[in-house]
Amino acid sequence: QITLKESGPTLVKPTQTLTLTCTFSGFSLSTSGVAVGWIRQPPGKALEWLVLIHWNDDKHYSPSLKSRLTITKDTSKNQVVVTMTNMDPVDTATYYCARRPYDPSGSYFFDYWGQGTLVTVSS
Amino acid sequence: DIQMTQSPSSLSASVGARVTITCRASQSIRNYLIWYQQKPGKAPKVLIFPPSSLQSGVPSRFSGSGSGTDFSLTISSLQPEDSAIYYCQQSSITSFTFGQGTKLEI
Repeated sequence: QITLKESGPTLVKPTQTLTLTCTFSGFSLSTSGVAVGWIRQPPGKALEWLVLIHWNDDKHYSPSLKSRLTITKDTSKNQVVVTMTNMDPVDTATYYCARRPYDPSGSYFFDYWGQGTLVTVSS
Repeated sequence: DIQMTQSPSSLSASVGARVTITCRASQSIRNYLIWYQQKPGKAPKVLIFPPSSLQSGVPSRFSGSGSGTDFSLTISSLQPEDSAIYYCQQSSITSFTFGQGTKLEI
């Protein structure tokens, strides 16, 4: 059974750095082709992809947020950690982590998602 | 970035009806188009992945088609549980973008 779960603060102040952890089970991030990504969703708004880390430590960042994001993985702990600097109230959103499975066609989609964690940015 | 535009933004249909949601990319994404369903308070669920493959466990009334810039998601016979927001996502380039969503009310 594959599960993912996000953890981290629910409230951060403007200008602070947000650190979120995705702890997963049921798959390994050392398996060829597998990746874990982060996607966020402001209340009542659409999904926005943020960042992705591959089994081989390759990383892909959203161009609009690249300067603020860092993603790392700890394969032994089955965890992926993302940090986002200089948080602003517009960053208030539910943050999801999700698995990208190996796909022979080379496409990137997310087949298992965490439940999401709502992060509010407010002073 | 590749922009994804869905239409309509919302629609209402009856049980048993056939509905189609469209997604247009700002440039060709070949067939790298994914469809998700999201219900209130829940994470998105993948329905269709390239090339128009149905995710395991998804009812066969859902189908996807298209290539290049124009894509569609069709639900052949609406059921009450299909009430949700539907999103498309492109993965043609490694800067994945979602559409703005289509809210479907039954």
